[in-house]
Amino acid sequence: AQSVTQPDIHITVSEGASLELRCNYSYGATPYLFWYVQSPGQGLQLLLKYFSGDTLVQGIKGFEAEFKRSQSSFNLRKPSVHWSDAAEYFCAVASNTGNQFYFGTGTSLTVIP
Amino acid sequence: EAGVAQSPRYKIIEKRQSVAFWCNPISGHATLYWYQQILGQGPKLLIQFQNNGVVDDSQLPKDRFSAERLKGVDSTLKIQPAKLEDSAVYLCASSPRLAGELLGSYNEQFFGPGTRLTVL
Repeated sequence: AQSVTQPDIHITVSEGASLELRCNYSYGATPYLFWYVQSPGQGLQLLLKYFSGDTLVQGIKGFEAEFKRSQSSFNLRKPSVHWSDAAEYFCAVASNTGNQFYFGTGTSLTVIP
Repeated sequence: EAGVAQSPRYKIIEKRQSVAFWCNPISGHATLYWYQQILGQGPKLLIQFQNNGVVDDSQLPKDRFSAERLKGVDSTLKIQPAKLEDSAVYLCASSPRLAGELLGSYNEQFFGPGTRLTVL
C-alpha cells in the first residue's frame, strides 16, 4: 500500500542553524515526490518536487531535497533556517497521473531566535 | 492571478446538522480536488473532478458526503448529517492538469486556504 512516513512530529532549531526533515515513502511504482509547507491559516504551498532525473532538487525559499531510491527517502534540507520558516511541512507521494496523492502526517517546525 | 478561493473560512455546527463548503478554482483549471485534513494528520484526498465529471471519489464517504461541480468551475462539498469525526479543515485545490495526463512541472496543484469545520 502507498504511504508516506514523516518520523519527526515536531522539530525545534535555532535561527541560522541547518535543517533536515525526514520523509520515507512506500510506493509500488516510480514515485512522484513533493514537499509542501503550510503556515497557520494558510493553504499548502509547494516547495519542491521530484519526478525524474537529478536526485537533488532545488526548491523555493532556499530548500532542497534529495531522492534516495535505495532508502525510499526524500529528505528536505535547508542550510540556514530563518524565523519565517516556522510552519508545518508535509511530504507527499503521487502516482504519475496525480490521481493518487498521499500526504504524510507532517512535521511542525519551531525556530528559536 | 487570483488563487483558489474557499468559503466560509470557519464553520461551527451541531452534530446531525448539514453543512456546505464552496470552492472557486483558479480560472481555466480543469481539475479540482477536495481534501480533508484532520488535526495532526496530512490531507486526505476525498474527490477529484475534471471539468464537471468525477475522476475519482473512492475516498469519499458517500453515505454522508456529496460534491458537485455542475458547470465545471465552482464546486460545493456537502456533509449531511455531520458527525463529530468530521471536524477538520477541508481544502480545495485546482490544477490545469487533465485526467490521464502525466504530472509535470506545468500542472501542479494550487491550494486554497481551507474551511475549518468544528462539529459539536
